[in-house]
Amino acid sequence: SQQGEEDPQALSIQEGENATMNCSYKTSINNLQWYRQNSGRGLVHLILIRSNEREKHSGRLRVTLDTSKKSSSLLITASRAADTASYFCATRTGANNLFFGTGTRLTVIP
Amino acid sequence: KAGVTQTPRYLIKTRGQQVTLSCSPISGHRSVSWYQQTPGQGLQFLFEYFSETQRNKGNFPGRFSGRQFSNSRSEMNVSTLELGDSALYLCASMHGPQSYKPGWDEAFFGQGTRLTVV
Repeated sequence: SQQGEEDPQALSIQEGENATMNCSYKTSINNLQWYRQNSGRGLVHLILIRSNEREKHSGRLRVTLDTSKKSSSLLITASRAADTASYFCATRTGANNLFFGTGTRLTVIP
Repeated sequence: KAGVTQTPRYLIKTRGQQVTLSCSPISGHRSVSWYQQTPGQGLQFLFEYFSETQRNKGNFPGRFSGRQFSNSRSEMNVSTLELGDSALYLCASMHGPQSYKPGWDEAFFGQGTRLTVV
């Protein structure tokens, strides 16, 4: 079964607003990553946060990780229409392979 | 450098047939993972190969198999196709075992192969 569950399943916001997506996972992890997917194409890596980190920034992206709650959140600030995509969290454990969450479908309305 | 290449991009097969999908990882990457993506099940891990050895396998029937060659290119094979095998099959390329080196643990995906079984 998949490692992560994401919430909400779908999110619709106006351009310029912030978008927050949450991810919960089940077991201990080495790192957690966020990916974006446009229209059934390949996934693109966005940001990685390690289990000993609590927060990380990359451009308009902010990721937090709470290992005690086994949860992470991705914040996209000042969203743009081009941010419309599906966003997935993925966890990497000692098994090395990535387990993906169920994804959040983000729609940014111009 | 060149990205991950998956071939073919689209495929239509009949139930009962078999299919082979190919993935060429990024040069220097030795780990290749395969995923099946469907609207109902999301992204499901199939298997991972590293240096020609299968290291991990997801919960899929034996009809799904794969292999990796010495140049790190990988193929996956699905035999006796069923309608439920219709999906987007994604290949992910990574350096290999986990490391704290910057960028080491990121996966790079191909555009996928869209398989339709009729």
